[in-house]
Amino acid sequence: AQSVTQPDIHITVSEGASLELRCNYSYGATPYLFWYVQSPGQGLQLLLKYFSGDTLVQGIKGFEAEFKRSQSSFNLRKPSVHWSDAAEYFCAVGALYSGGGADGLTFGKGTHLIIQP
Amino acid sequence: DTAVSQTPKYLVTQMGNDKSIKCEQNLGHDTMYWYKQDSKKFLKIMFSYNNKELIINETVPNRFSPKSPDKAHLNLHINSLELGDSAVYFCASSHTGQPQQETQYFGPGTRLLVL
Repeated sequence: AQSVTQPDIHITVSEGASLELRCNYSYGATPYLFWYVQSPGQGLQLLLKYFSGDTLVQGIKGFEAEFKRSQSSFNLRKPSVHWSDAAEYFCAVGALYSGGGADGLTFGKGTHLIIQP
Repeated sequence: DTAVSQTPKYLVTQMGNDKSIKCEQNLGHDTMYWYKQDSKKFLKIMFSYNNKELIINETVPNRFSPKSPDKAHLNLHINSLELGDSAVYFCASSHTGQPQQETQYFGPGTRLLVL
């Protein structure tokens, strides 16, 4: 079964500084990878996704992520964070279940991003 | 103009009660899901429906039963609520349920508190 690890529970970054959130996955085939953001009291919004092709993926709000198969990683980056980026970030992998058909997403436990002024 | 909507947003109830949470999507998607987010923010899939068929049923108690009257709706009915059911429940939908089109769109969540 697939799994996702986000090793950092909390990360604190100064406003204007760069950001990298780590995500490692375990899956036997080519993964379908996602980053979602959850603002306080809100639902989940898709930031970006990787299905195939270019391993550097651009998303919304200035985020990007790089898929590295050799490291089983899909880290999220942003060159300069804004106070509004403070939120919970979830990495997820989508995959076919053994019975085929539709798939749920397997989420990591999330990284809570705190922005210091 | 909400893509995926859930009602109610908040639900406070007593142990042992039966309750339902409704979900509707206006995206024309074929597949809908229910996820549970626990107090530690861990998200886990509970169910998915594709064209009125339950095709994933994770190991959740049979007190939980998804009901889909049509492609645009997937309601979650919970019998005999327990304290451990307190969580945020998210509905989501995707186009076809195939991995290459598997972007899922989430609703705002329903915060359930069982007393």
